[in-house]
Amino acid sequence: QPVVTQSSSASASLGSSVKLTCTLSGGHSSYIIAWHQQQPGKAPRYLMKLERSGFYDKGSGVPDRFSGSISGPDRYLTISNLHFEDEADYYCEIWDSNTWVFGGGTKLTVL
Amino acid sequence: EVQLLESGGGLVQPGGSLRLSCAASGFTFSTYAMSWVRQAPGEGLEWVSSIGGSGGTTFYADSVKGRFTISRDNSINTLYLQMNNLRADDTALYYCAKMRDYWGQGTLVTVSS
Repeated sequence: QPVVTQSSSASASLGSSVKLTCTLSGGHSSYIIAWHQQQPGKAPRYLMKLERSGFYDKGSGVPDRFSGSISGPDRYLTISNLHFEDEADYYCEIWDSNTWVFGGGTKLTVL
Repeated sequence: EVQLLESGGGLVQPGGSLRLSCAASGFTFSTYAMSWVRQAPGEGLEWVSSIGGSGGTTFYADSVKGRFTISRDNSINTLYLQMNNLRADDTALYYCAKMRDYWGQGTLVTVSS
């Protein structure tokens, strides 16, 4: 079963940029991942899927400030021009061998 | 607009049963796999189960295998999760998801005596 690893927390200042990392375990670095945002007290919201080529496809209504990128086994979600509303938990996930695996989530604090 | 509306949650005693429903609209329900994902209080997301568009293939997390059954009725665009032999650690907010790209608002299941 794949392992999806995320830092537990991150922080950045209002108006700045932050890059969140998701690392896939060995043998799964070619997989398509997806990023989801969960604001406090709300349901998760799909942000984007990110392919091994680095191509990312965002969900409906996701602002241009959100982008994705890759480097080896690492998958990144970059949020530019941080807004207070971006303070949330961010989850990455992969679908592998009929199992949907979520990372532990990164709690982003906007200072 | 895609909408997923869960129902059926509630308080149940250990060993009891519940059936969750998810009413879907805004897309061709029968052509998409669907899933249930849960979130225990203060915890992260945990996949529970998925089902193919026709209902012919189902998958379960080890933690619920043998106790939970996922199903769907494509004639009324509804996804189900039958939960039997419930345990305290099944307490969570249960979300219906259209594979990876849309989420419902969740229904709370509390297992307690």
